[in-house]
Amino acid sequence: GAVVSQHPSRVICKSGTSVKIECRSLDFQATTMFWYRQFPKQSLMLMATSNEGSKATYEQGVEKDKFLINHASLTLSTLTVTSAHPEDSSFYICSARRASPTEQYFGPGTRLTVT
Amino acid sequence: GQNIDQPTEMTATEGAIVQINCTYQTSGFNGLFWYQQHAGEAPTFLSYNVLDGLEEKGRFSSFLSRSKGYSYLLLKELQMKDSASYLCAVITRGSQGNLIFGKGTKLSVKP
Repeated sequence: GAVVSQHPSRVICKSGTSVKIECRSLDFQATTMFWYRQFPKQSLMLMATSNEGSKATYEQGVEKDKFLINHASLTLSTLTVTSAHPEDSSFYICSARRASPTEQYFGPGTRLTVT
Repeated sequence: GQNIDQPTEMTATEGAIVQINCTYQTSGFNGLFWYQQHAGEAPTFLSYNVLDGLEEKGRFSSFLSRSKGYSYLLLKELQMKDSASYLCAVITRGSQGNLIFGKGTKLSVKP
């Protein structure tokens, strides 16, 4: 199957700092990329949907000024957690969708710990 | 509203066959995905169905009936490594619509 990479896989940062997470679709062009967050033993929660070259669409309750999404190309999307707080500690997972054939692959996730 | 139902947990024996059901009531339908997720890891794509019928991929098969709002994932020749959560997810609108996930079915495979 297709591959989606995510970097870094783990990051620990201090409260108040910013962290950037990269998501790349390695062998296909993604029409749409999604960013999810997952807390332990809970379902995936969609944070935002992004299409290349346009602004991301954020889910209700997700602060767009705190979680900055840039979708620079059909193979790269970035999520920047600004002014991180301990409650932002979570497992962040990106997902890339290919139009034809229709498939959607998840990156391996980034485990963020804010101290 | 959007509703996707799956059993919470299932247990099966190594070498056996197990069927995980998923029913959905959504405002639209543009396809259904099945994913496998091991604890602490991201989901892994298993299958995509948009037309009625059975899709087979090795030990895994997925079935869809759009008129019944029903799908199942069939796992054959179960192995211990198949112990994981299995997520059913529906695209409700358009090719760029978000996936609506079920809560997942935790499958335990025992020797």
